[in-house]
Amino acid sequence: NAGVTQTPKFQVLKTGQSMTLQCAQDMNHNSMYWYRQDPGMGLRLIYYSASEGTTDKGEVPNGYNVSRLNKREFSLRLESAAPSQTSVYFCASIPGGGRGKQYFGPGTRLTVT
Amino acid sequence: DAKTTQPPSMDCAEGRAANLPCNHSTISGNEYVYWYRQIHSQGPQYIIHGLKNNETNEMASLIITEDRKSSTLILPHATLRDTAVYYCIVRVRNNAGNMLTFGGGTRLMVKP
Repeated sequence: NAGVTQTPKFQVLKTGQSMTLQCAQDMNHNSMYWYRQDPGMGLRLIYYSASEGTTDKGEVPNGYNVSRLNKREFSLRLESAAPSQTSVYFCASIPGGGRGKQYFGPGTRLTVT
Repeated sequence: DAKTTQPPSMDCAEGRAANLPCNHSTISGNEYVYWYRQIHSQGPQYIIHGLKNNETNEMASLIITEDRKSSTLILPHATLRDTAVYYCIVRVRNNAGNMLTFGGGTRLMVKP
């Protein structure tokens, strides 16, 4: 099992550009999450998908959209990047029903200039 | 989910036990205590969780007070590789959102 994978690992964008961060898990987990972590801070939830076909806003959803493409994949889109979105983005997944531990991907480091 | 309070930083000598405290005085009866750690900007790693009984696994032990208002994560023999930020989180285990709310955590520095 590869666990939770994220692409790309690094990205530099100019203000106003768009991009999609990809996340995939091969553990057959129902729930998937996107977090951001700013320097020296804890993680903050952007969006989550409790199950395939559903998505919900987290603590800081503004400026982002998500797509739960299938059970394996959950993508995060920045339509018009802003310098305030410079951060490390982590994807995570958890088995259905809230049981078990949450597995995190290695992160995507995004810089918006 | 209940709020947690952790010291911002702690030091521990290599080979000694590291005891990381967490206060969660507003914890509800159906909320679990979870511990994760994050090593140098990697993705957070699950350590252990519990409801009211003490728990132990290959990584650590979790001691929860009888009133459940605080807990302690114990790394019995800390190594340099245990240097990380440790997060204490309380949440309902089976809530629909399954969200984890991360606070500032405790930065543990294991020194030779």
